[in-house]
Amino acid sequence: KAGVTQTPRYLIKTRGQQVTLSCSPISGHRSVSWYQQTPGQGLQFLFEYFSETQRNKGNFPGRFSGRQFSNSRSEMNVSTLELGDSALYLCASSLDIGSYEQYFGPGTRLTVT
Amino acid sequence: GQNIDQPTEMTATEGAIVQINCTYQTSGFNGLFWYQQHAGEAPTFLSYNVLDGLEEKGRFSSFLSRSKGYSYLLLKELQMKDSASYLCAVSPGNTGGFKTIFGAGTRLFVKA
Repeated sequence: KAGVTQTPRYLIKTRGQQVTLSCSPISGHRSVSWYQQTPGQGLQFLFEYFSETQRNKGNFPGRFSGRQFSNSRSEMNVSTLELGDSALYLCASSLDIGSYEQYFGPGTRLTVT
Repeated sequence: GQNIDQPTEMTATEGAIVQINCTYQTSGFNGLFWYQQHAGEAPTFLSYNVLDGLEEKGRFSSFLSRSKGYSYLLLKELQMKDSASYLCAVSPGNTGGFKTIFGAGTRLFVKA
């Protein structure tokens, strides 16, 4: 069974631009969560989607948004990029909203210049 | 506020036992996770504790005391490949999901 896939793996953007990251969960998994990881702040929860609905949201500005499609694939969007948005963005999938075991994808390394 | 504390770094010798502690203060508690993350890789799930006590899984065990807001991860028979960061994370409140709060991680160095 294929693992969680994220595209692209690396991305370089300029301040003020916007970016869309994609995540495909493990087949059969319906819950997708997004995290931002930086050396200074560690791993921080962005949001969680289940059945195309956002179920939980972390403490990030409205520039960070996401969505989930009917096939459970998810995208997150960051608008008006800032230098501080440079980070590793990780997606994790789990079988169901009540399942505790999450499987992380390899991440997208975003660099904002 | 929400806070998770764990030591920044630890060093141990191959074949030994190491205990990585984690204390937390969160508004509500669903469960506590431990993840392993090798440099440049994604975190991998190690354990999940909901009830007090020790959960053993091979060389790794995790302990939880909800009344003390305390957990530890115990690694036995250390191997060089265990050199990694170990992340303690808490799912707070009754969100029914993964609004998970992560600690900064403990970087473990295993020496020969």
